[in-house]
Amino acid sequence: DGGITQSPKYLFRKEGQNVTLSCEQNLNHDAMYWYRQDPGQGLRLIYYSQIVNDFQKGDIAEGYSVSREKKESFPLTVTSAQKNPTAFYLCASRRGNGYTFGSGTRLTVV
Amino acid sequence: AQSVSQHNHHVILSEAASLELGCNYSYGGTVNLFWYVQYPGQHLQLLLKYFSGDPLVKGIKGFEAEFIKSKFSFNLRKPSVQWSDTAEYFCAVNADNNDMRFGAGTRLTVKP
Repeated sequence: DGGITQSPKYLFRKEGQNVTLSCEQNLNHDAMYWYRQDPGQGLRLIYYSQIVNDFQKGDIAEGYSVSREKKESFPLTVTSAQKNPTAFYLCASRRGNGYTFGSGTRLTVV
Repeated sequence: AQSVSQHNHHVILSEAASLELGCNYSYGGTVNLFWYVQYPGQHLQLLLKYFSGDPLVKGIKGFEAEFIKSKFSFNLRKPSVQWSDTAEYFCAVNADNNDMRFGAGTRLTVKP
């Protein structure tokens, strides 16, 4: 079945460490997105990519980085510069007007 | 970039009551509009979407939404809610620059 796979489901990180969240899709979708979900704030766009080797900052890109070396993969790195990284992270992909969401990764800084 | 406002942070209703959740967006160009639902412990599911045509859109589980272009609104409605509708509801807008923005969400609690 086609879909988006986010891994891991739960991730713990020590303060000051970088961590990378995986997002893989086998839907042949061109565009991919990363959102952060916090209670009472909905989903906020971190980064998005319309095509391979190209990506743009969303509304809250500071402290995050991404790469898009392959169409199928759009990993998100949460760097030590992100002041409040504990959150639920959602990846999505799009082809035309059809969006598909992953099941998310819950990141906790300990 | 476009922005999305959901007026109600938390709505509490009794079963069989009617529901209307507000959603307004700010963008002057062509938009696609969505309502997503997130049940407790589950991931986002699409309730309904509007791209063009009839501004009254019917979705799954008895939900509908009306696009009123002059008011930049896309309110979600359901005539009679059930306990199983307890969830968080997100309005989203995809504008012609192709990235999607979400509202802050409305938590709906339906009391049995």
